[in-house]
Amino acid sequence: EPEVTQTPSHQVTQMGQEVILRCVPISNHLYFYWYRQILGQKVEFLVSFYNNEISEKSEIFDDQFSVERPDGSNFTLKIRSTKLEDSAMYFCASRAFTGTDGTSNTEAFFGQGTRLTVV
Amino acid sequence: AQSVTQLGSHVSVSEGALVLLRCNYSSSVPPYLFWYVQYPNQGLQLLLKYTSAATLVKGINGFEAEFKKSETSFHLTKPSAHMSDAAEYFCAVSYFSGGYQKVTFGTGTKLQVIP
Repeated sequence: EPEVTQTPSHQVTQMGQEVILRCVPISNHLYFYWYRQILGQKVEFLVSFYNNEISEKSEIFDDQFSVERPDGSNFTLKIRSTKLEDSAMYFCASRAFTGTDGTSNTEAFFGQGTRLTVV
Repeated sequence: AQSVTQLGSHVSVSEGALVLLRCNYSSSVPPYLFWYVQYPNQGLQLLLKYTSAATLVKGINGFEAEFKKSETSFHLTKPSAHMSDAAEYFCAVSYFSGGYQKVTFGTGTKLQVIP
C-alpha cells in the first residue's frame, strides 16, 4: 500500500541551526501539507502546497520556514534558524485531487513524523 | 472558517465498555469530516471519513461514526473497547478556502482503556 515516508525519524539540532525535514508523498497525490504537533498539544497546520506553490499557510509559518518540491518526488520543510520552541513532531501529508468516487472528498495520508528536538 | 470541537481531552473506559468520543463541527457548507487515530510515537492514521452517501460511517478496528446534521455532530463510537484502542483520536474537517482544500483538526481526545 502506498504511504508517505518521512526522514529522519528524529533530528536533534542546536538552536540557530538550519534543518531540513524530508518527505516523499504518495506518487499520484497533488496536495501536500506540513503539520506540527508540540508535545502534548494539538496538531497544527503549517502550510499547504499545490501546483508547485504554497496555497495556504498559517501564522506559525513565518519567514523562518520554507517548503520546496525540488525534484517532483520529495517535499521538504526547511527551518532556517531553529528556536527552542520549534521542538515538535512534524508531519507531512499528501492528498489526491479526487477520490475513487470522483469527488474531492479525499483524506490526507500522513507520514510517521519527524521528531525535531532543538537544544 | 470551518472548525471542529472535541469535548473531553481525556476519556477513560473499561475494557469491553462502550467508547464514545465527541466531535461537533462548525460549517456553513456540507462538511467533509474525518476521524484520525494516533498511536504513541506514530503518525496519524485515518479511521473513517464521512461521505454524503451514508450518515453512519464504518471505519477500521470496529469504530463507526454517525453524522447528525441537526446536532452538527460526528461522534465516534465503538461498542466494546479493547486495550489496543488506547490512543489519541482527532476529529478533522476538510473544506475549501480560497480555492484550496484545507484540513483543520480538533484538539484531540486521549482514550485510556482500563483493564
